[in-house]
Amino acid sequence: GDSVTQMEGPVTLSEEAFLTINCTYTATGYPSLFWYVQYPGEGLQLLLKATKADDKGSNKGFEATYRKETTSFHLEKGSVQVSDSAVYFCAAGSSASKIIFGSGTRLSIRP
Amino acid sequence: EPEVTQTPSHQVTQMGQEVILRCVPISNHLYFYWYRQILGQKVEFLVSFYNNEISEKSEIFDDQFSVERPDGSNFTLKIRSTKLEDSAMYFCASSPGLAGADEQFFGPGTRLTVL
Repeated sequence: GDSVTQMEGPVTLSEEAFLTINCTYTATGYPSLFWYVQYPGEGLQLLLKATKADDKGSNKGFEATYRKETTSFHLEKGSVQVSDSAVYFCAAGSSASKIIFGSGTRLSIRP
Repeated sequence: EPEVTQTPSHQVTQMGQEVILRCVPISNHLYFYWYRQILGQKVEFLVSFYNNEISEKSEIFDDQFSVERPDGSNFTLKIRSTKLEDSAMYFCASSPGLAGADEQFFGPGTRLTVL
């Protein structure tokens, strides 16, 4: 069945460091890909998405590119802030169908 | 901006009791979902609902679970006889179901604690 695998955490970085969280997927067909973020004590918020190959999703300085050839959707940010500390979930889904989540990566940013 | 709302935010119940978790999806959305997240674990799909019927369910969604859209706005998840292992955060989500707009919008969650 479909699955999403993402980098194990926790990840701890200093403020202004470069961030990469790796994500790969296996799916039949061509799913849409998402990154959701969960801040402490809160629910899931959509951070960015891409719906087809070579699309780049971006939001709040984060970006991820849908790479069909490597079945990847790695999350990157050039300069992280303390406020970026959260759990990040990579996810895949097809139109109106269930979303499959990765296991989540906890990110902590040191001032 | 429209959002999915869920009530209550925290529900504590005794094992064997029935609970109903409530959700109000975004008003023009057509697809509705329930997910759960056991503490520290990944978010797991439970069920999807469209046109007043279940369109897909996971193996977690057994006979103890049911969903209902009792009116034009609410979407509920009922657990008939709760077990300790049902303790989790339950998220409701909705989606417009349109081509190219298939992201799901999640509510803030209901934390269910079964004692």
